[in-house]
Amino acid sequence: EAQLVESGGRLVQPGGSLKLSCAASGFTFSGSAMHWVRQASGKGLEWVGRIRSKANSYATTYAASVKGRFTISRDDSQNTAYLQMNSLKTEDTAVYYCTRHKDDEGFDYWGQGTLVTVSS
Amino acid sequence: DIQMTQSPSALSASVGDRVTITCRASQSISSWLAWYQQKPGKAPNLLIYKASRLQTGVPSRFSGSGSGTEFTLTISSLQPDDFATYYCQQYTGYLYTFGQGTKLEIK
Repeated sequence: EAQLVESGGRLVQPGGSLKLSCAASGFTFSGSAMHWVRQASGKGLEWVGRIRSKANSYATTYAASVKGRFTISRDDSQNTAYLQMNSLKTEDTAVYYCTRHKDDEGFDYWGQGTLVTVSS
Repeated sequence: DIQMTQSPSALSASVGDRVTITCRASQSISSWLAWYQQKPGKAPNLLIYKASRLQTGVPSRFSGSGSGTEFTLTISSLQPDDFATYYCQQYTGYLYTFGQGTKLEIK
């Protein structure tokens, strides 16, 4: 059974940094594009960014709201994806989900989410 | 950037009703559209991909249609478990966008 488990969320001050992890199991992680999606309390889903597989040169792309501040990486030997968040703002407060994008289909596997709170 | 607009934002319906949610893209996305269901405190769940293809394990009362800029999600006969929030999403391959969501409530 496929599973994604996020970790690393916590309270951080504005301007601070945080790195989230997403541990995958039960599917071929190395061949999968991995995305991060966030959701502020009571709000809708916001796509954050994605990293493709080695076969696609580990290409990354980001939403305008986080570009230049957030970086997605992956370690295929550890079946783990990461979201490095710098220069955090209060508006980055949200539950962050990692999710797998299967080929031409949608986002079929999701983690349970990890809460990031940016506040002084 | 491609914007996705769902309508309505909220909908009240009864068990057994047929319900349709619409999603419009600001430019053509071919059939690169997915629909998700989300319940409070839970991660989203993929229902439909490529506009009309039912994800494995999803009940057949869910169906999707459309291409280009206009899409619909239809639930043929609402069940108690279907009361949730629904999101469309375009995935044309570079930037990915969700609609603002449609909250489906019990009348």
